[in-house]
Amino acid sequence: EDQVTQSPEALRLQEGESSSLNCSYTVSGLRGLFWYRQDPGKGPEFLFTLYSAGEEKEKERLKATLTKKESFLHITAPKPEDSATYLCAVQPPSDYKLSFGAGTTVTVRA
Amino acid sequence: DTGVSQNPRHKITKRGQNVTFRCDPISEHNRLYWYRQTLGQGPEFLTYFQNEAQLEKSRLLSDRFSAERPKGSFSTLEIQRTEQGDSAMYLCASSDTRKGLAGVGHTGELFFGEGSRLTVL
Repeated sequence: EDQVTQSPEALRLQEGESSSLNCSYTVSGLRGLFWYRQDPGKGPEFLFTLYSAGEEKEKERLKATLTKKESFLHITAPKPEDSATYLCAVQPPSDYKLSFGAGTTVTVRA
Repeated sequence: DTGVSQNPRHKITKRGQNVTFRCDPISEHNRLYWYRQTLGQGPEFLTYFQNEAQLEKSRLLSDRFSAERPKGSFSTLEIQRTEQGDSAMYLCASSDTRKGLAGVGHTGELFFGEGSRLTVL
């Protein structure tokens, strides 16, 4: 069974203090690894899809990277509006549904 | 395109009652998924449809749960004889498997609605 583990569970940052979130996964093959952002009381919002080890994608202050066993979401010089729960999900090659981790809740203080 | 729409957004019910949630996916998306999310956890897969066909159901989906997608458009998720353990956020998502990435096929990008929060007293 696919397993996705995210760490840390929670992260408190000062505005401008860069940091990284980790997503480690165990899956028999990988079609894609996905990052989503979720604000309280709302549905997840798609951020990135990564397909192969070594791939990187960026969006504003966020950068996602992928290795064979884990993915990192780097937040550079975060702002309070980056506060959210960040979810990682994997998609096996034989299927389209996503298996999610529990998420990392990021709080950025001004 | 207004995105994935879910209603009601909130539902409070008493144990033993039946509830139904509705999801309107992004138009022309052929896939529709239902997930459940409890506090502090990531979304858990429940079931999905391709057009009107229900192709997979999770073992989390007990006999009290039923989902339909008549005519391949909107979908409903009904929970019969609700239990307190059913309290959760029910998320609907849609995607288009006909869009691929240089022949790779479906990108897996799921677009989620705002969710329907169920509280069972």
